[in-house]
Amino acid sequence: DTGVSQDPRHKITKRGQNVTFRCDPISEHNRLYWYRQTLGQGPEFLTYFQNEAQLEKSRLLSDRFSAERPKGSFSTLEIQRTEQGDSAMYLCASTSSGRARQETQYFGPGTRLLVL
Amino acid sequence: DAKTTQPPSMDCAEGRAANLPCNHSTISGNEYVYWYRQIHSQGPQYIIHGLKNNETNEMASLIITEDRKSSTLILPHATLRDTAVYYCIVEKGSNYKLTFGKGTLLTVNP
Repeated sequence: DTGVSQDPRHKITKRGQNVTFRCDPISEHNRLYWYRQTLGQGPEFLTYFQNEAQLEKSRLLSDRFSAERPKGSFSTLEIQRTEQGDSAMYLCASTSSGRARQETQYFGPGTRLLVL
Repeated sequence: DAKTTQPPSMDCAEGRAANLPCNHSTISGNEYVYWYRQIHSQGPQYIIHGLKNNETNEMASLIITEDRKSSTLILPHATLRDTAVYYCIVEKGSNYKLTFGKGTLLTVNP
């Protein structure tokens, strides 16, 4: 079990550019979550997938944001036309819905985005 | 909105027990109490969870009051590495999105 991995760990971009983040969940986990965390706040839910299906999206996920999980394994989160307000830590978590519902969510190390 | 209330910060001396309180007065019968922590610049880390009974694992103990309206996370022998933000979360299970509040910043002092 190598845990949840995210790439890149840090990203600096200029306003208006597009960025894409990748998350690799724990291999047997079928649920994958994206959260966003701004400075001084707890993580906020953005969206989640069960296998390849995106089942819920937060109102925080504007139309500039898109997430995919094409084969039910890794996931990508793309932000188009980045704004300074998108600067945050983007966290990915995974869990297995097939197990007892007490199963915990395992978080990755996050991708820290800075939009200049 | 988070369903829990936690103090914004606490201090603890190294080697002493750290007792972190959490109020969740509106908790439903099928909701668990989860505790996560987040060390600076890392992703949240699961600590422990419980429904009604007190729980203990290698990291911590969780004490839930009989009416389930509050709980306490206990780190029995705090170390400097336990300095982190601790989040108390109420949810029906880990299959659900987690709603984080601002948590408690625990600072363990030498």
